[in-house]
This record gives sequence, C-alpha cells and structure tokens, in this order.
Amino acid sequence: SQTIHQWPATLVQPVGSPLSLECTVEGTSNPNLYWYRQAAGRGLQLLFYSVGIGQISSEVPQNLSASRPQDRQFILSSKKLLLSDSGFYLCAWSVAHGYTFGSGTRLTVV
Amino acid sequence: AQSVTQLGSHVSVSEGALVLLRCNYSSSVPPYLFWYVQYPNQGLQLLLKYTSAATLVKGINGFEAEFKKSETSFHLTKPSAHMSDAAEYFCAVSDRRNNNDMRFGAGTRLTVKP
Repeated sequence: SQTIHQWPATLVQPVGSPLSLECTVEGTSNPNLYWYRQAAGRGLQLLFYSVGIGQISSEVPQNLSASRPQDRQFILSSKKLLLSDSGFYLCAWSVAHGYTFGSGTRLTVV
Repeated sequence: AQSVTQLGSHVSVSEGALVLLRCNYSSSVPPYLFWYVQYPNQGLQLLLKYTSAATLVKGINGFEAEFKKSETSFHLTKPSAHMSDAAEYFCAVSDRRNNNDMRFGAGTRLTVKP
C-alpha cells in the first residue's frame, strides 16, 4: 500500500539553529512531492515541490531549502532558523486527482 | 491562475443540524476540486473530490459537495452534524493539466455544539 511518513512530529528549536525535516513515501515510484507550511490561523502555503530526484521548485523565497536525494525522500532544511519559521509543516505526494498528506511536523522556534 | 475562496473562517452548528461550508473557485480551465479535513495537529485527509464525473460528489463521513459551474461553487454539506465533525476544512482547486498547482483556501473551522 502507499503510505507517507513524516518526522519528527514535534520539534522545538532555538533561533539560529539548523533544521532538517524528512519525508518518505512507500508503495510508489517517481512521485511528485511537496512541502507546505501552515501558520497559526492561516491556510496552506506551498513551499517547494519536486517532480524527480534533484529537481526542486521553490514557490516562495525564504529561509528554507529542500532537497530530494532519493526518489522517495524529500527533505526540508534550514541553516539558521528564524522565529517566523514556526508553524506546521506538511509533506504531501500527488496521486491521480489529488494529494495525500503526511501527519505533519509542529515546529516551534524559540 | 486558479484560486478558491472559503466564505467564513468559522462556522458553528448544533449537533444534528445541517452543515454547510462554502467554497467558490476561480479557474480559467475546467478544474478539479477537493475538500480536505484536518483534525488538530494532524495532516489533511481527503473528504471528496470532483474530477468531471458526476457533479454531486459523495465523500467520507456522510459529507457531499455539488459542483455548480454557473455559480463557480463547490459547497460542502452534511445533513446532520456530529460532534466528531469538529475540525478545520479546506477547499482546494487544481488544474487538470498540472497536478503540481493545487491551491488551497484559507480554511473554515467547524465547531459543533452539543
């Protein structure tokens, strides 16, 4: 079966520290993968998407970057976190007519 | 470019009452439309989707939505609200030609009162 794993579930990091969030999918090959951010009380903002290994498209200039080192792995990173990076981060992959989302990572930058 | 507008950031209904969450879309091409539900600190779960088959789409948990091209709407309804329906609901639109361009509404938080 097709599943998507995202970790960690929660993370508290100090300002200026690095970040690495990982997302992996199982049961499919060559998926389109996405990173979204959901700030408190706001909708979903598309951050990055990838259509293949090493192929990353950025939607919004920011303090974050993404990488896709393997077909079914998508990583969201930052070298130095800002307070404004706090939020709920969601990974997703696209299936026919729709997306499937991971369970999310709650990031709090303190 | 496509977009969706969800009317009402908060909706409150009594248990057993009709649930109506409104969504209007804008798209220059025939769209795919979706409703997702999000429970606290969880990812989004697909409730239902419209992909150009029947205009009345039935989803999980007793929800349904009707695609109305003339009104550019895709409102979500449920005849009788249950306490477990309390969550945030997102409407989304995507271009049939480009599955990488799904746009979400700002969300509607549904509260169900006993």
